[in-house]
Amino acid sequence: NAGVTQTPKFRILKIGQSMTLQCTQDMNHNYMYWYRQDPGMGLKLIYYSVGAGITDKGEVPNGYNVSRSTTEDFPLRLELAAPSQTSVYFCASSYGTGGKETQYFGPGTRLLVL
Amino acid sequence: ILNVEQSPQSLHVQEGDSTNFTCSFPSSNFYALHWYRWETAKSPEALFVMTLNGDEKKKGRISATLNTKEGYSYLYIKGSQPEDSATYLCAFRGGSSNTGKLIFGQGTTLQVKP
Repeated sequence: NAGVTQTPKFRILKIGQSMTLQCTQDMNHNYMYWYRQDPGMGLKLIYYSVGAGITDKGEVPNGYNVSRSTTEDFPLRLELAAPSQTSVYFCASSYGTGGKETQYFGPGTRLLVL
Repeated sequence: ILNVEQSPQSLHVQEGDSTNFTCSFPSSNFYALHWYRWETAKSPEALFVMTLNGDEKKKGRISATLNTKEGYSYLYIKGSQPEDSATYLCAFRGGSSNTGKLIFGQGTTLQVKP
């Protein structure tokens, strides 16, 4: 099992550009999440999904969009990149209700918006 | 807005020292409390998921306790080793909905000097 994989590992964007961060898990987990991690801060939830076709906003959803067409994939879309979106992005997944089960994290995508 | 606070923010200890840190969370509507270990340049890895008041969990030299009535959890490391150097994150899951959303603290960064 590869677990949770993310691509790319690192990306530089210009202000106003768009991109999609890819996330795939091979553990057949129902729940998937996108977090961002800023220096000195914990992980902030951007969006999450409880299953294919179902997504919902987390704490900091502005400027992002997601889709979940399959159980395995949960891409995160940045439409108009802004410097405030410079961060490290982590995708995670969990099985079952997602509360008592641990979340498994991908390796992260480092994004720099200039 | 739910607040999860961790203290101290950072900690420097000598190899062999025992140490502990605190995670404070809302004492109402508790569902689960997670602890994760996050090494630099890696992704967070689960240590414990705690669900019952009075829970104690142990993994090697690391253990954790839970007090849901007063809203805190302690993480203990006995005989710290340099490989314990990492950021330790706690995450609170409230019980108001069945969505698996975790609220993370900002983390305690531990540095163990040989």
